[in-house]
Amino acid sequence: SQQGEEDPQALSIQEGENATMNCSYKTSINNLQWYRQNSGRGLVHLILIRSNEREKHSGRLRVTLDTSKKSSSLLITASRAADTASYFCATDVFQGNTDKLIFGTGTRLQVFP
Amino acid sequence: DTEVTQTPKHLVMGMTNKKSLKCEQHMGHRAMYWYKQKAKKPPELMFVYSYEKLSINESVPSRFSPECPNSSLLNLHLHALQPEDSALYLCASSQDLAGLSYEQYFGPGTRLTVT
Repeated sequence: SQQGEEDPQALSIQEGENATMNCSYKTSINNLQWYRQNSGRGLVHLILIRSNEREKHSGRLRVTLDTSKKSSSLLITASRAADTASYFCATDVFQGNTDKLIFGTGTRLQVFP
Repeated sequence: DTEVTQTPKHLVMGMTNKKSLKCEQHMGHRAMYWYKQKAKKPPELMFVYSYEKLSINESVPSRFSPECPNSSLLNLHLHALQPEDSALYLCASSQDLAGLSYEQYFGPGTRLTVT
């Protein structure tokens, strides 16, 4: 399977703490994306980091990418109860002339007020 | 308008029924996707349409039949499904420019139960 692995599978923290999620993948990528999913809902795109970038910031989010180790991390700083959701990394790869996303196994984040 | 809409939100169907899921976007995106997601699992890609042509079929059983009538619409026709096909079906769209990759916009999904 090309599917990436994420750890931890589940993470529980208090409001105000930082949350770090890690993603490892298996194939060469064009870019790596992070998505958030509230329970039973659609996914929301958070951030995209291209294969030639090492770090990217967006608000309280910081993403790193190490293509030599085939790994990425998502840091959410000063977490809020509203950050409670599942977070997925997704590697963007080309198949023929089309690019597709391969999602990691996901991290379920619970932030307690 | 950055919204992808999906209908219906919920669908219960018997194994002998024929039904269709619908997806619509008005962002001018030329790539559209169907995903299947089981509980507590990541989304799994089923089909990709690029410029209204089927470009990826991830070996999906023929009881699932996709259709892209125009650049804004994507359908998934269902026939003779099995109980294990019960899942959340997600539609997504993205820009599709050669050599570049963009984020995908997801709809809220259709929760399908096969009885």
